[in-house]
Amino acid sequence: GIQVEQSPPDLILQEGANSTLRCNFSDSVNNLQWFHQNPWGQLINLFYIPSGTKQNGRLSATTVATERYSLLYISSSQTTDSGVYFCAVDAGNNRKLIWGLGTSLAVNP
Amino acid sequence: DAGVTQSPTHLIKTRGQQVTLRCSPKSGHDTVSWYQQALGQGPQFIFQYYEEEERQRGNFPDRFSGHQYPNYSSELNVNALLLGDSALYLCASSSPSGGTDTQYFGPGTRLTVL
Repeated sequence: GIQVEQSPPDLILQEGANSTLRCNFSDSVNNLQWFHQNPWGQLINLFYIPSGTKQNGRLSATTVATERYSLLYISSSQTTDSGVYFCAVDAGNNRKLIWGLGTSLAVNP
Repeated sequence: DAGVTQSPTHLIKTRGQQVTLRCSPKSGHDTVSWYQQALGQGPQFIFQYYEEEERQRGNFPDRFSGHQYPNYSSELNVNALLLGDSALYLCASSSPSGGTDTQYFGPGTRLTVL
């Protein structure tokens, strides 16, 4: 089955810094989502982005489907950005998401 | 617009017991998926329900079963609980028939098996 790899596994930033999180996947996908999981476990949708580029405030994402990777950009990070960022994909119209192991982000004041 | 809701929030059971977790999808969504998330891991797909039938299933034993009601709400049942079933159980709703594959997640039920 499809494999999803995220990097880096852990990231520590000072408030105000920028960061780039990467998601590599091993096969073509028809669904790719980025999520933020807060310390209480709630998964928050960030982007639905099987291809192209989207922006939402300080966050933006780009998926290059032909090269099988997606990037999540966080600019001017805030302490509330702390948590785990997951990339999840669906490869075959099954509508079941396959997840990476996440990037654990800590933003220090 | 209410999002996805799950109950209970937390649950403690002992080995061998049975548990039922509940999920109400986001308004307008007809498809419910269940995921298990162990500590430090990404969620693992359990199964998906659409039109009251199990449409997809992940690599979980038959001890894990589910149900979807006509109002699209869903239950996850786990029989003969094992210590390894301790995890965060997440419900997600979507509406592929409505052209939306985006999955929206509830707050989860944290199950502890002692």
